[in-house]
Amino acid sequence: DAGVTQSPTHLIKTRGQQVTLRCSPKSGHDTVSWYQQALGQGPQFIFQYYEEEERQRGNFPDRFSGHQFPNYSSELNVNALLLGDSALYLCASSQRDIQGSTEAFFGQGTRLTVV
Amino acid sequence: AQSVTQLGSHVSVSEGALVLLRCNYSSSVPPYLFWYVQYPNQGLQLLLKYTSAATLVKGINGFEAEFKKSETSFHLTKPSAHMSDAAEYFCAVKQGNSGYALNFGKGTSLLVTP
Repeated sequence: DAGVTQSPTHLIKTRGQQVTLRCSPKSGHDTVSWYQQALGQGPQFIFQYYEEEERQRGNFPDRFSGHQFPNYSSELNVNALLLGDSALYLCASSQRDIQGSTEAFFGQGTRLTVV
Repeated sequence: AQSVTQLGSHVSVSEGALVLLRCNYSSSVPPYLFWYVQYPNQGLQLLLKYTSAATLVKGINGFEAEFKKSETSFHLTKPSAHMSDAAEYFCAVKQGNSGYALNFGKGTSLLVTP
């Protein structure tokens, strides 16, 4: 089982540019969530996708957008990059669970540096 | 809104000593609680979770946590620390019934000394 895979592992972008991060969920999982983890902080929820739709969104501007494909993989797009967007971006997958008790499995993350 | 507070951003223990990492939660509804571990330059790995089935939860690598409603706590313990336990530990809460997001604490960095 490959687990949750993210690409690329590291990325350097310039302010104002746009970036796309990719995630393949663990086999059997249909729900993908994205988190931003700034240095020395806990992860912050960006949004979650299920059935190719955004189901819940955290407190992030609409510069952050996403997409889920029919094979359940997902992309995170960030437009007009700011220095403050530098962080580790984590993808988590899970099985759809209305009650919310199902655990999420995390990928290794993509380290984004904005210069 | 549900949230967690981790007391102590850094904890240092000797190898073989008890590990105690503190987490207090705030939730208006019965919460689901999780402990994750993060090793340097890695993603998060689930240690254990509380979903109301039992108040004492056993996880991987010898860790366990006890849910105490009266104290709104979910502290993580391990009887004997190992050098390989050095990592960042995160407590997280998820609201049952409708919430899908995990709300994480700021983390506790565990240092294990020989």
